[in-house]
Amino acid sequence: DADVTQTPRNRITKTGKRIMLECSQTKGHDRMYWYRQDPGLGLRLIYYSFDVKDINKGEISDGYSVSRQAQAKFSLSLESAIPNQTALYFCATSEPFGGGEQYFGPGTRLTVT
Amino acid sequence: AQRVTQPEKLLSVFKGAPVELKCNYSYSGSPELFWYVQYSRQRLQLLLRHISRESIKGFTADLNKGETSFHLKKPFAQEEDSAMYYCALSCAGGTSYGKLTFGQGTILTVHP
Repeated sequence: DADVTQTPRNRITKTGKRIMLECSQTKGHDRMYWYRQDPGLGLRLIYYSFDVKDINKGEISDGYSVSRQAQAKFSLSLESAIPNQTALYFCATSEPFGGGEQYFGPGTRLTVT
Repeated sequence: AQRVTQPEKLLSVFKGAPVELKCNYSYSGSPELFWYVQYSRQRLQLLLRHISRESIKGFTADLNKGETSFHLKKPFAQEEDSAMYYCALSCAGGTSYGKLTFGQGTILTVHP
């Protein structure tokens, strides 16, 4: 679904560097989410935002921060990257009354060396 | 807090065989359950939800509140069913409605 895009798609960075992952959507959805995917651990929620002024921590927010610049944009930052933040990161969107249907971006593969 | 468990990381079957992907959950309230699928080189997408009680691509899933399970079943697996499958739970209603908790995922491989 080209309506949810993520940049960059792949990134290799070094320990201690600051990095930002960006998510944009043209679906007009108010709700946006950031997940990380790790083998054997599945998808875990990092942060979520139900509208531009609403930001909430997920189950694994330590070491991450987010910014909701507009309805269409939701960025995830790693202030000082560490190797165990190496993972596949997904952005998703949903409508307020869409139940559990979320629309996912293609993912960003981040490697911290 | 809610929790979703998929006990099988890997599941292999032969084409034409029945397949069942297990999902168990814990949640004190009224849950809504979903199955998401990620095919190779495609995005994660919704496969089905329990409230719809529908069959998608031959897959069905029944919510068993007594056993707190939502297993995904297909009577005759096809090679194109090979994918990563995630079970997910949402709280029905409330301020967190729509926020999903995912299981660990099961990689299904259907051999020819």
